[in-house]
Parts: sequence; structure tokens; C-alpha cells
Amino acid sequence: NAGVTQTPKFQVLKTGQSMTLQCAQDMNHNSMYWYRQDPGMGLRLIYYSASEGTTDKGEVPNGYNVSRLNKREFSLRLESAAPSQTSVYFCASRKRGVPEAFFGQGTRLTVV
Amino acid sequence: QQQVKQSPQSLIVQKGGISIINCAYENTAFDYFPWYQQFPGKGPALLIAIRPDVSEKKEGRFTISFNKSAKQFSLHIMDSQPGDSATYFCAAFSGGGADGLTFGKGTHLIIQP
Repeated sequence: NAGVTQTPKFQVLKTGQSMTLQCAQDMNHNSMYWYRQDPGMGLRLIYYSASEGTTDKGEVPNGYNVSRLNKREFSLRLESAAPSQTSVYFCASRKRGVPEAFFGQGTRLTVV
Repeated sequence: QQQVKQSPQSLIVQKGGISIINCAYENTAFDYFPWYQQFPGKGPALLIAIRPDVSEKKEGRFTISFNKSAKQFSLHIMDSQPGDSATYFCAAFSGGGADGLTFGKGTHLIIQP
């Protein structure tokens, strides 16, 4: 009963490097989300996908791209990492018509 | 524009006391108001939630009070315990929107033994 699984859990990047954060859910949820969490800023929505094949920008999309690979998987890509992207990233999913969102354990990313 | 305002940012309560966290919202289309609890190194998890057709919901030591006319809601933790020490987020959801939950900025709660 895994729920929402994120990989990796920790990552250190150098400025300008690229990487992809992976997220998979096994609850057959339609909607998936990427948030970033910064001290004093709460959880801010980066991108979301209401269903397979669709993605939309959230509050802070600049510097990120996403791919909804299939119903289970939703990845977040940083093409050229910047120190301002140092954060904890959370993936979440939700079943259509049900407001409760389920979160992964998070990825702690440091850009030096 | 911050749609959900949460206060205080941090809170210290003695064991056995009452912890109170407040939130205010602006968008009257919101129709579901959850509270999430987050322990260090973990993702947020749903703690308790309320819909605007009721003024109060209680689950064990946790109670949500909801004031629709004032567009405010609050979380009360009775008989607070050290194990309640965590970050708490209020949130709001609109059933007509696909973009998920709008979160407050969080409250870091410490319960002192």
C-alpha cells in the first residue's frame, strides 16, 4: 500500500545542472500535483495535471517543466537548476470528485 | 494574492493546554476546508476537515470551528501533547476547480512537556 512515491529523497545539484524528480501513485487518482515547500512560505503549487494528457501551471511554474507520463506517473524537471530552487518538493494526488489530497514523502533538493 | 491567511506562524503551548490556530479565506467558492499535519521529514497528511454547512467538527482532541459569515476557521487541539508537535497547514478547496488545494503558510507548533 505505497500511496504516493517520490524519488529521489535527497539530491544536491550544481547550478546549471538538470534533473528530473519522479512521482508515482498507485491509488488510480486522476489529478496529480507538484508543490514546493519553503520556510515561511507554506506549500506553493508549481504545476498540476487534472487528468492524463493535461498539465497546467500553478503559482510558481518558472524554471520547471512537467510530464504526465501516464495515469500513475507525474515528473518534474529542472532544466537548469538555480540556487533559488533549493527547496523541499512534494508530489500529491487526488481522486476526481474527492477533495482529499495524498502527499509523498518529499524530495529535499539543494542547488549549490 | 494570498487566498488563505494563517496565524500564528509559530506557537508554543504547555502540555495539557489548548492550541489554537486560525485561518481566514477570501474566495467564497471554497467548499471544503481541511487541516494537514506534517511531521519533520514527512509529507503533509490530512488531520481533519469541514464543509461550510456545519459550524463545528470534532475528532478526538481536534476540533475545527467554522464561521462562514466571517470567512474564518480555526483548529483547536485540546489537552495538547508533545506528540502533537508538528507543522499544521490549513487549506481550502473549490469543487469547481481542478487546481487542488490552496494552503496557508503553516504554523509550527511546539508542545512543551
